[in-house]
Amino acid sequence: AQKITQTQPGMFVQEKEAVTLDCTYDTSDQSYGLFWYKQPSSGEMIFLIYQGSYDEQNATEGRYSLNFQKARKSANLVISASQLGDSAMYFCATIGYNNNDMRFGAGTRLTVKP
Amino acid sequence: EPEVTQTPSHQVTQMGQEVILRCVPISNHLYFYWYRQILGQKVEFLVSFYNNEISEKSEIFDDQFSVERPDGSNFTLKIRSTKLEDSAMYFCASSQTGINSPLHFGNGTRLTVT
Repeated sequence: AQKITQTQPGMFVQEKEAVTLDCTYDTSDQSYGLFWYKQPSSGEMIFLIYQGSYDEQNATEGRYSLNFQKARKSANLVISASQLGDSAMYFCATIGYNNNDMRFGAGTRLTVKP
Repeated sequence: EPEVTQTPSHQVTQMGQEVILRCVPISNHLYFYWYRQILGQKVEFLVSFYNNEISEKSEIFDDQFSVERPDGSNFTLKIRSTKLEDSAMYFCASSQTGINSPLHFGNGTRLTVT
């Protein structure tokens, strides 16, 4: 099974600044997908961004971008121009071609300060 | 936008009782999942389901757990004899194609075992 490591249990960022949330992964699959989810205090899981292992360009979705470094097995999430509403838990996840089980990291709690 | 719906939103049960958590995945999705999240902790994979059978299950998904797709729309998780440590939020999710499409999560069922 895949393994995801998020080494930052908590992060703080000033409103309007950019922040990078770290994620490294370990998988034996040649083909896999990487995902980031946001979980606000209300509890729902919100999909943010996807990166395929064979995608050559880094994924972007609005203020979210994924800094994908395949050789280092890292898939960091960059949030630009942070907003107060970005305060939440952020989970990195991966699913492999040969395994139908998306696995999540332990999460990073992001707090945006006004 | 279509969404995954879960019922009930909160279930309280006594230790040793059976519970069934219900989910209606998005209608054109082919892959179905159950996850659990103990309060404030990581999102743990339980089981995935494709083509009317279990495709992957984790070490958590022991003989106490079972899943069913009894008709074309519902997807259920049964816990046969609940324990105190089964208290958690249970999320159902579905995806269209597995590896390169995101999981869409329901809002969860909070299970409290007393």
